[in-house]
Amino acid sequence: AQSVTQLGSHVSVSEGALVLLRCNYSSSVPPYLFWYVQYPNQGLQLLLKYTTGATLVKGINGFEAEFKKSETSFHLTKPSAHMSDAAEYFCAVSSRVNYGGSQGNLIFGKGTKLSVKP
Amino acid sequence: NAGVTQTPKFQVLKTGQSMTLQCAQDMNHEYMSWYRQDPGMGLRLIHYSVGAGITDQGEVPNGYNVSRSTTEDFPLRLLSAAPSQTSVYFCASSMRDRVTYEQYFGPGTRLTVT
Repeated sequence: AQSVTQLGSHVSVSEGALVLLRCNYSSSVPPYLFWYVQYPNQGLQLLLKYTTGATLVKGINGFEAEFKKSETSFHLTKPSAHMSDAAEYFCAVSSRVNYGGSQGNLIFGKGTKLSVKP
Repeated sequence: NAGVTQTPKFQVLKTGQSMTLQCAQDMNHEYMSWYRQDPGMGLRLIHYSVGAGITDQGEVPNGYNVSRSTTEDFPLRLLSAAPSQTSVYFCASSMRDRVTYEQYFGPGTRLTVT
């Protein structure tokens, strides 16, 4: 069974500092990988995804993530944090194999709340 | 396009009451799903549908029913609400792109069961 682990339920950085949010997955076959962001009292918005090809993926708002198969990781980074980045971030996976339409099903990590200090 | 809409935004129920959370999308997406979000638990899949007339269970289906009579709508029914169902509920929809399903989430329904 697939699972997702996000290290650190809360991360605090200063404005302008590097943002690093960690995500590791467990799966017999490398899954599709996603990062979503949730601003307070809102739904989830897709930041970026990895499906195939280049392992460094660029997303919206200056975020990027690198798929490392050997480390089963998909860490999210941003070189310089902005106050508007304060939100909760979720790593998620879905299967590359479509069992009866289940390929759309996402398995989420528990989330990491990012705080940005002025 | 309105995207994915959910009603109501907030709801308070007493234990044992029933209700239906509404979800609609206007993007002609074939795939729709319901997740619940609990603090420190992330989002967990309740039910999903790959098209009108087809539904299946997710990770936490107990206490919830769904049906999909049209492509646009995917309501979630709580037959007899319990305090353990206090949560934020998100509906999502997607169409398979060239490779995978990119999901669009609604704004959520915050449900409290007393």
